[in-house]
Amino acid sequence: EIVLTQSPATLSLSPGERATLSCRASQSVSSYLAWYQQKPGQAPRLLIYDASNRATGIPARFSGSGSGTDFTLTISSLEPEDFAVYYCQQCSNWPLTFGQGTRMEIQ
Amino acid sequence: EVQLLGSGGGLVQPGGSLRLSCAASGFTFSNNAMSWVRQAPGKGLEWVSSIRVSGGGTYYADSVKGRFTISRDNSENTLYLQMDSLRAEDTAVYYCAKNWARWYIDDWGQGTLVTVSS
Repeated sequence: EIVLTQSPATLSLSPGERATLSCRASQSVSSYLAWYQQKPGQAPRLLIYDASNRATGIPARFSGSGSGTDFTLTISSLEPEDFAVYYCQQCSNWPLTFGQGTRMEIQ
Repeated sequence: EVQLLGSGGGLVQPGGSLRLSCAASGFTFSNNAMSWVRQAPGKGLEWVSSIRVSGGGTYYADSVKGRFTISRDNSENTLYLQMDSLRAEDTAVYYCAKNWARWYIDDWGQGTLVTVSS
C-alpha cells in the first residue's frame, strides 16, 4: 500500500498570504496524484488532478506541482473561503489512498 | 447537474448488515466508474471500494475485504454497497463518488451516516 504523508498537519496563515502544502508518497506514483479541499459539513471537492492540472472551475490561485514521490499544492494568495482541510490522493496503485490531511486555519 | 443521492444508512449493532444505495442522475451512469469513500467522525478520508463501468472489476480496501460488496445496476443508475459483519470501526459517513479520468473523484454525494453500536 502506498502511504501518503502530508505536511504540515496544520497551517496557520492570514488572508493574502501564500500557502504551500506538501504530500510525500512512500513510493513513486508518477503523476497520478490529486488534491481535494473539504470544508466542515461538506463533501470534498477536486482541485487538482494529474499532479498539476486544475479541475473545472478551480481558481488560478491554486496550483500543483511534483512527480514521483514529492508533491506540492500552492495557493498563491489566500482568500477567506480557502481555509479548509486539504487531502492528497494517489491513483497509481491499488488500494487507492489518501493522505491524512492538512488543516489550514486563519492566523 | 450531477446528483448522487445516498441512502440506507443508520444505526446497526456490531455483526449486523446494511445496504447503502446511491441514485445517480445528471450524467451517463453506465459510462463512469464509481466508488465509495468513508470518513469516520473527526477523521480523514478513507477509500473503501471501487467498481468499473461494466461491474466486471471491483476493488476493496483491506479493512473491508470479505465483508463489503460493491455492485451497480446500470439500468437503474444506482450504486450499492452491501456491508456485512459490521464493526464499530466501520462507523463513518459514507460518500458515493463518481470517478473520472484514472480514478480521481470529480463528484461526491452528500454522505450517508452509518453508526455501528450496541
